[in-house]
Amino acid sequence: QSVLTQPPSVSAAPGQKVTISCSGSSSNIGSKAVCWYQQLPGTAPQLLIYDNNKRPSGIPDRFSASKSGTSATLGISGLQTGDEADYYCATWDTSLSAGVFGGGTKLTVL
Amino acid sequence: QVQLQESGPGLVKPSETLSLTCIVSGGSITDHYWNWIRQPPGKGLEWIGYVYDSGSTKYHPSLKSRVIISLDKARDQFSLKVNSVTAADTAVYYCARGVVGGEFDLWGRGTLVSVSS
Repeated sequence: QSVLTQPPSVSAAPGQKVTISCSGSSSNIGSKAVCWYQQLPGTAPQLLIYDNNKRPSGIPDRFSASKSGTSATLGISGLQTGDEADYYCATWDTSLSAGVFGGGTKLTVL
Repeated sequence: QVQLQESGPGLVKPSETLSLTCIVSGGSITDHYWNWIRQPPGKGLEWIGYVYDSGSTKYHPSLKSRVIISLDKARDQFSLKVNSVTAADTAVYYCARGVVGGEFDLWGRGTLVSVSS
């Protein structure tokens, strides 16, 4: 069972917007920055969002994120079939003194 | 452009030691956290631990007793050893560069390690 809780799957039509939630606690999301990773089928994860809401160079602004209290949310607008992937939230947990990931959310673009 | 590449045996016998190396090319191995992360088939990501530029390490509590991560600056590589492996250690193992903010900004392509007799 993952320390961070994500929905197993989400789906939406092309062009629509979808959000993915990530729920934690005061020892992780509540006190540390959150990042998000995209893992396309058969590939390594790629950094999508860091420091709660910042996008690395090359990541389109269709991807956005926010954090409030002990939860974080990833938003993807203008959905494309190429966005079909697994998405993971991650942060540091001060109680475990370890990096922690959410269980991952599979995005299907219908 | 910095790249990471994992290498090591793809098959390890139960109770033996899993050993992997990550070669860092195109850049310096200093001033970063060098991580190992694994993903069992069909499952999510699990952080294993890191070695910092100074040689200090941090491991996930669930693996701490079986894991060693070390850094070889002269060869621009870092390594992972997991001893007393079982089938539960079967996974794709990724090496990844960590930065001060905590995110992993660069990943290797991953290597599948199966534990089986």
